[in-house]
Amino acid sequence: QKEVEQNSGPLSVPEGAIASLNCTYSDRGSQSFFWYRQYSGKSPELIMFIYSNGDKEDGRFTAQLNKASQYVSLLIRDSQPSDSATYLCAVNMGANDYKLSFGAGTTVTVRA
Amino acid sequence: ETGVTQSPTHLIKTRGQQVTLRCSSQSGHNTVSWYQQALGQGPQFIFQYYREEENGRGNFPPRFSGLQFPNYSSELNVNALELDDSALYLCASSSGGARETQYFGPGTRLLVL
Repeated sequence: QKEVEQNSGPLSVPEGAIASLNCTYSDRGSQSFFWYRQYSGKSPELIMFIYSNGDKEDGRFTAQLNKASQYVSLLIRDSQPSDSATYLCAVNMGANDYKLSFGAGTTVTVRA
Repeated sequence: ETGVTQSPTHLIKTRGQQVTLRCSSQSGHNTVSWYQQALGQGPQFIFQYYREEENGRGNFPPRFSGLQFPNYSSELNVNALELDDSALYLCASSSGGARETQYFGPGTRLLVL
């Protein structure tokens, strides 16, 4: 079983719609959760982090965490063509384990 | 911009050669992590350095080695290059701790022929 799994995509949404990205993780003791956006040929850039169960909103982005279900998601509201990228879910597995474990990413295309 | 820099941006090597990649961390950060990202995959953790000491290592062979300098910049060395080492190598800096965000540099794209 992979440590972090994401819905494989690609995901195509019309401009203005909501894009929903999902991620599950294997280690119940995982501490912190990150969403990175990666444009083609570029390095990952942080969108959001979340530590506690529930929702966290930042502009058009909402991260949702459910530790009991070992599930984290990212919603992109009012999707724009500039949101077209690969979204990487990253998980820090424990208090003394500082590495990030990444999913394979979900590629999102926003159609104008 | 994250303030994390890497050099070189691109590199072409042949099998069996050795390569050194460099990373300067963001000001105030004492921790550097290295990741390998193959095409179409998520980044894979290679190792992390905290205050000049290795602080964890992923599932990579010993020919991947590194070090961190007193100014917290870091190097990744790969010996005996193999074709499968072709990838984007990412350096990430942070201020340490499990909840600290890791900020990525632009990466070095390595092609092994």
